[in-house]
Amino acid sequence: AAGVIQSPRHLIKEKRETATLKCYPIPRHDTVYWYQQGPGQDPQFLISFYEKMQSDKGSIPDRFSAQQFSDYHSELNMSSLELGDSALYFCASSPGEVVYGYTFGSGTRLTVV
Amino acid sequence: GNSVTQMEGPVTLSEEAFLTINCTYTATGYPSLFWYVQYPGEGLQLLLKATKADDKGSNKGFEATYRKETTSFHLEKGSVQVSDSAVYFCALSAVLRAQKLVFGQGTRLTINP
Repeated sequence: AAGVIQSPRHLIKEKRETATLKCYPIPRHDTVYWYQQGPGQDPQFLISFYEKMQSDKGSIPDRFSAQQFSDYHSELNMSSLELGDSALYFCASSPGEVVYGYTFGSGTRLTVV
Repeated sequence: GNSVTQMEGPVTLSEEAFLTINCTYTATGYPSLFWYVQYPGEGLQLLLKATKADDKGSNKGFEATYRKETTSFHLEKGSVQVSDSAVYFCALSAVLRAQKLVFGQGTRLTINP
């Protein structure tokens, strides 16, 4: 079965650089969620999109932005990277009705040096 | 707002021991409840879920019952295996379209042979 695809799997950037993370949801899933997970921490919600519109916003820094495209894939853009941005970034998708659960991608490990 | 509280870890057990990981929640209305598992270096996998009071979710020998009267969703397994070693997250979402998952802090489980 198709899963949520994230790219790249690993990314190393220097401070003040820009990074773009991509997420391809399961076909026919209309909602995408982005989470950030620091070492030894629980995933923190960043932002979500439903039918290509932002549906909710969490603790996402102003330096970050995201969008969902017409094919439902989503991109998380991170600018002026800081050391503290080093984390695992997960994307999840759902078919909207949450009773079906959320499917997570394998994540992108971002390291800022 | 909605929140999830898990028993603090880490938890270390011997193989074939009985497992309980406590999870309680605070939410308005009737949320959906989930347990996710994260193996080292991997993403979050849905372990089981329950969408209404008294529902029992089960998968791979794990069980959890949605208890509205005690606002709990404790995870249990009768006989754990070394391969169950992972981090377990309890989570909830409001039962509306495109609602984010709210996670507990996670419980690291280690099973010794």
